[in-house]
Amino acid sequence: KAGVTQTPRYLIKTRGQQVTLSCSPISGHRSVSWYQQTPGQGLQFLFEYFSETQRNKGNFPGRFSGRQFSNSRSEMNVSTLELGDSALYLCASSFGSDRSTDTQYFGPGTRLTVL
Amino acid sequence: DQQVKQNSPSLSVQEGRISILNCDYTNSMFDYFLWYKKYPAEGPTFLISISSIKDKNEDGRFTVFLNKSAKHLSLHIVPSQPGDSAVYFCAASGNQFYFGTGTSLTVIP
Repeated sequence: KAGVTQTPRYLIKTRGQQVTLSCSPISGHRSVSWYQQTPGQGLQFLFEYFSETQRNKGNFPGRFSGRQFSNSRSEMNVSTLELGDSALYLCASSFGSDRSTDTQYFGPGTRLTVL
Repeated sequence: DQQVKQNSPSLSVQEGRISILNCDYTNSMFDYFLWYKKYPAEGPTFLISISSIKDKNEDGRFTVFLNKSAKHLSLHIVPSQPGDSAVYFCAASGNQFYFGTGTSLTVIP
């Protein structure tokens, strides 16, 4: 079974630009979560989508948004990029229906560098 | 508010010895806990999990212990191998997944 895939793997943007990251979950998984990891920080939760609906949202500004399609693929968008947005962005998928047994599986991440 | 905490940022262990990584949580409603291993520039890899109805779960060299009264879990790796050198994250499942800040394990040959 194919794992979680993320594209692109690396991205370089300049301040003020916007960026869209893509995530394809494991087949059958309906939940997709996004995380930001910066040096010295753990995994900061951005948001979770389940069956095309945003189910949870972390404490990030409105410049960070996402969506999920009917095939469970998800995109994350960051507008008006700032230097502090440079990070590894991770996507994780899971079945999402039973939290007491649900296991998230991560993609390789997208390394975003903002200059 | 950090609901899952890993208070040791780093740990060094000799090859062949036991590695013990610790994790504390604050929310007694969490009922499923997971450990992930992460190499630099890669996504975390799922290692092992434990349900709150159990106090121990083993998978090969990895064992997770859960102490619900203390809101504490630990990951034991026996014997430790150089390839185990990585950052280890614990996570708890509630309305979302909550992750600790990670412990960097170095296994010295």
